[in-house]
Amino acid sequence: AQKVTQAQTEISVVEKEDVTLDCVYETRDTTYYLFWYKQPPSGELVFLIRRNSFDEQNEISGRYSWNFQKSTSSFNFTITASQVVDSAVYFCALILYGSGNTGKLIFGQGTTLQVKP
Amino acid sequence: GAGVSQTPSNKVTEKGKYVELRCDPISGHTALYWYRQSLGQGPEFLIYFQGTGAADDSGLPNDRFFAVRPEGSVSTLKIQRTERGDSAVYLCASGVGLGDTQYFGPGTRLTVL
Repeated sequence: AQKVTQAQTEISVVEKEDVTLDCVYETRDTTYYLFWYKQPPSGELVFLIRRNSFDEQNEISGRYSWNFQKSTSSFNFTITASQVVDSAVYFCALILYGSGNTGKLIFGQGTTLQVKP
Repeated sequence: GAGVSQTPSNKVTEKGKYVELRCDPISGHTALYWYRQSLGQGPEFLIYFQGTGAADDSGLPNDRFFAVRPEGSVSTLKIQRTERGDSAVYLCASGVGLGDTQYFGPGTRLTVL
């Protein structure tokens, strides 16, 4: 069975601190995508990144960076120099896209990040 | 361009009533997904449409839930004989195809009294 685990339920940091959100996934499939979404207090899920299972290159986008390690089945997300506007719930998710799959997102429980001024 | 839209944004109903929730996907997106999010949880898959047909309805909790997408664009999620346990935020997402990024609408918050 497929599963995504975000062990950190809540994280609180002070503005300008760096913070890493952990994500561990389980699947026996070799063809999958991993995602991170942000859900601010307004409630709408905002897409942040998609990573193919065959591409283990880390990615940086501004203050955001992602570390994908297949050896540990992890896809961690780091925010550098956090800001109050980063306060939100962050979800890690998995899609299987091989034969027989229908591309549904399997979400983790989410990590609530609070950035204090 | 316009994103995914959902109506209504809020729906309050009484136990036993029938409700319809509407999703208007991004133009040109053939894949449409419905999810349900309970308080403090991640979204859970309900049903997937590719075009007009339901390709995967394995997430629908029971036969009180039904969804249609008759013309391959707008979709309606229908819930009969609502129960208090149906209270949640219902999210719709659309994408170009299998494995593509899914873009979410703002959701419909359903409250069953």
